[in-house]
Amino acid sequence: NAGVTQTPKFRVLKTGQSMTLLCAQDMNHEYMYWYRQDPGMGLRLIHYSVGEGTTAKGEVPDGYNVSRLKKQNFLLGLESAAPSQTSVYFCASRSDSRQPQHFGDGTRLSIL
Amino acid sequence: AQSVAQPEDQVNVAEGNPLTVKCTYSVSGNPYLFWYVQYPNRGLQFLLKYITGDNLVKGSYGFEAEFNKSQTSFHLKKPSALVSDSALYFCAVRDAGDFNKFYFGSGTKLNVKP
Repeated sequence: NAGVTQTPKFRVLKTGQSMTLLCAQDMNHEYMYWYRQDPGMGLRLIHYSVGEGTTAKGEVPDGYNVSRLKKQNFLLGLESAAPSQTSVYFCASRSDSRQPQHFGDGTRLSIL
Repeated sequence: AQSVAQPEDQVNVAEGNPLTVKCTYSVSGNPYLFWYVQYPNRGLQFLLKYITGDNLVKGSYGFEAEFNKSQTSFHLKKPSALVSDSALYFCAVRDAGDFNKFYFGSGTKLNVKP
């Protein structure tokens, strides 16, 4: 009964490095989301997907790319990390547009 | 534009007393409103939602929320607070045009003291 699993849980990068965050859900949900959480700002939507093979931009998409090649996985990529991308990243999924989102436990990313 | 405001960064309450965590919203059209709770180093957990119907919504762990259209508010309440309710609480509203966009408040830290 894993729900939404995010890997890795922690990561430290140097400016300019690239990395990919993985989100996996085992609930057969169509919709998946990536958010970032910064102190005092709540969650902000980066990108989302409404089904396998689809992606769309959220509120703060610049500097990030995503892919949804398989229904259960949603990848978030940083091509050239910047200190402003230091944050806690949360993935979420849900079954349809009227249901609440299920969140993973987050990835804490620090960029030096 | 859609938005949510949580006017209190922190709420302190004694165990056994009633608690209220405030949320006001701005949205065009009918609001879809949610409350989530976050414990340290964990993701957000769904508490309750308002889509339509009764203005008093009941949710998980004894929490409820009162929707007030005239005051554009959706305050979270619990009749008797527990120490284990201490956590960070977020209010969210779904975008009226894009059902996949949600706007979260900045969060309210609830401290329940024994």
